[in-house]
Amino acid sequence: KAGVTQTPRYLIKTRGQQVTLSCSPISGHRSVSWYQQTPGQGLQFLFEYFSETQRNKGNFPGRFSGRQFSNSRSEMNVSTLELGDSALYLCASSLPERQGNTGELFFGEGSRLTVL
Amino acid sequence: QKEVEQDPGPLSVPEGAIVSLNCTYSNSAFQYFMWYRQYSRKGPELLMYTYSSGNKEDGRFTAQVDKSSKYISLFIRDSQPSDSATYLCAMSDTGTYKYIFGTGTRLKVLA
Repeated sequence: KAGVTQTPRYLIKTRGQQVTLSCSPISGHRSVSWYQQTPGQGLQFLFEYFSETQRNKGNFPGRFSGRQFSNSRSEMNVSTLELGDSALYLCASSLPERQGNTGELFFGEGSRLTVL
Repeated sequence: QKEVEQDPGPLSVPEGAIVSLNCTYSNSAFQYFMWYRQYSRKGPELLMYTYSSGNKEDGRFTAQVDKSSKYISLFIRDSQPSDSATYLCAMSDTGTYKYIFGTGTRLKVLA
């Protein structure tokens, strides 16, 4: 069974640009969450999508947005990039609650964004 | 004050040692507790999952949750160099996939 796939793995942008990151969840997983990981702050929750709807949102500015498609694939977008947006962006997928699962998050390997 | 506090380490131990990793939290609504392991340049992978209070054992790993003290622990017995990684605690309240993570503890097991 294929794991969570994130693309691109590495990218370099300059301040003011925008970036779109993609995530393909494990087959059958309908919940997709996004996290930002930095050395100082650790993993911070960005948002979670289920059936194309944003169910939870973290404390990030509106420059950070996401969406989920009908096939459960998800994208996140960061506009007007700032130096502080340099981070590892992790996507995680989970089974829906009604199937009695534990809510375990299965993470991809992340997209490492560097903003110059 | 952060909702979840975790000693960042680094923690260096000799091979075969017992390792104790800990997190404290402030939100009494947390019900789901997890420990993840993250190797360098990889995504986190789930090690242990515990619902509410109690202990759970899986091979060399034991997870403990003390909700009265708002304190969770992960014990690694007979530690191996392959256990060298960053260990992250994560927790969530009931019915949501919004997990709060600790900042992670870097562990190095010396051969």
